[in-house]
Amino acid sequence: ETGVTQSPTHLIKTRGQQVTLRCSSQSGHNTVSWYQQALGQGPQFIFQYYREEENGRGNFPPRFSGLQFPNYSSELNVNALELDDSALYLCASSLNLAGSYEQYFGPGTRLTVT
Amino acid sequence: GENVGLHLPTLSVQEGDNSIINCAYSNSASDYFIWYKQESGKGPQFIIDIRSNMDKRQGQRVTVLLNKTVKHLSLQIAATQPGDSAVYFCSESGGSNYKLTFGKGTLLTVNP
Repeated sequence: ETGVTQSPTHLIKTRGQQVTLRCSSQSGHNTVSWYQQALGQGPQFIFQYYREEENGRGNFPPRFSGLQFPNYSSELNVNALELDDSALYLCASSLNLAGSYEQYFGPGTRLTVT
Repeated sequence: GENVGLHLPTLSVQEGDNSIINCAYSNSASDYFIWYKQESGKGPQFIIDIRSNMDKRQGQRVTVLLNKTVKHLSLQIAATQPGDSAVYFCSESGGSNYKLTFGKGTLLTVNP
């Protein structure tokens, strides 16, 4: 069984630039959620994708967007980067079944905005 | 607003002792809770979960207790080992199956 993978591991961007982060879900999982984890904080929910559509969204501005592909992998795109976007971005995969909430996380992408 | 919080931000124990990490939640609609362990430089690792229709669940060396009356959750780790040193997060899914809400976490340090 393949776990959740994310790329790249680390990334440095300049304020105002755009970034794309990638995630491959765990084998057999059809749902991907993205979280932002600032230093010293717990993860904050950004959004979730199921069947290639957004299935729920947290309190993040529209410049945070995503995609899910037919193979269930996903991308997180952030436009007009701000310094406060510096964080660990986590992807979690799950199986969208009634009553099933378990989410399994990848290692994350460390984004630094300068 | 609804939130999940932790009583103790840091906990230091001796190897072999039992550890108890506490968590308070305020969303009365929460029906599912997960404890995660996060080691430095890694993503959160699923430890154990519990549904609101239970008050106790046991895993290997870990036990989760849920007290819905006072909205309190705890994680007990038996015979704590140095490898248990990490940040522990409780999380809840307040009735939705798409979102987990996390607290700030508790740093557990195990002294040899």
